[in-house]
Amino acid sequence: EIVLTQSPGTLSLSPGERATLSCRSSQSVSSSSLAWYQQKPGQAPRLLIYGASSRATGIPDRFSGSGSGTDFTLTISRLEPEDFAVYYCQQYGSSTRTFGQGTKVEIK
Amino acid sequence: EVHLVESGGGLVQPGGSLRLSCAASGFTFSTYVMSWVRQAPGKGLEWVSVISGCGRYTYYADSVKGRFTISRDSSKNTLYLQMNSLRAEDTAVYYCSKDHPDGSGTHYSDYWGQGTVVTVSS
Repeated sequence: EIVLTQSPGTLSLSPGERATLSCRSSQSVSSSSLAWYQQKPGQAPRLLIYGASSRATGIPDRFSGSGSGTDFTLTISRLEPEDFAVYYCQQYGSSTRTFGQGTKVEIK
Repeated sequence: EVHLVESGGGLVQPGGSLRLSCAASGFTFSTYVMSWVRQAPGKGLEWVSVISGCGRYTYYADSVKGRFTISRDSSKNTLYLQMNSLRAEDTAVYYCSKDHPDGSGTHYSDYWGQGTVVTVSS
């Protein structure tokens, strides 16, 4: 099973600041099959990024994804108030998919 | 517009069974891979299972293999999760998702339902 480790666990930032979230895999993720999701309390996850770097429909361009192999990054260039949430990475390149444990982005 | 509505959750005793349903609309159900993901109270997301569009191929997380069965009925545009031998650690919100091909033979979840709550307790 591919294990995804996200860091940091919590990121305390102010609106307007840049957020950099990391997702590291225990094995190489095939075909850069890595997605990022945002989840707010009481809501279902929302797809942000797929294929490591492709933005999903309707996602603002302040969200960007990068990386390949075992190291991936989600960057939010300038945090808006609605961006404070929990973010998960997920690999879908193997028949059994896995999520990272999540990074909470909170208001400082 | 894609719409996914889960149902069938509730309170069940350890060792019991439950069948979850996910009614899908707004897309050609039979052509898309579908998945189940769960989230225990206060915890992160855990992938549970996936089924191919034709229903022939299914995969499961180790934590549910042999106890849960994913299936689909294209005549009813409905995805199912049959859960047997339930344990306290299966307590969670269960989400169904529609998956989308990313062009390299793999699929990611692009739309999610709002979830149904399963509580396993005596």
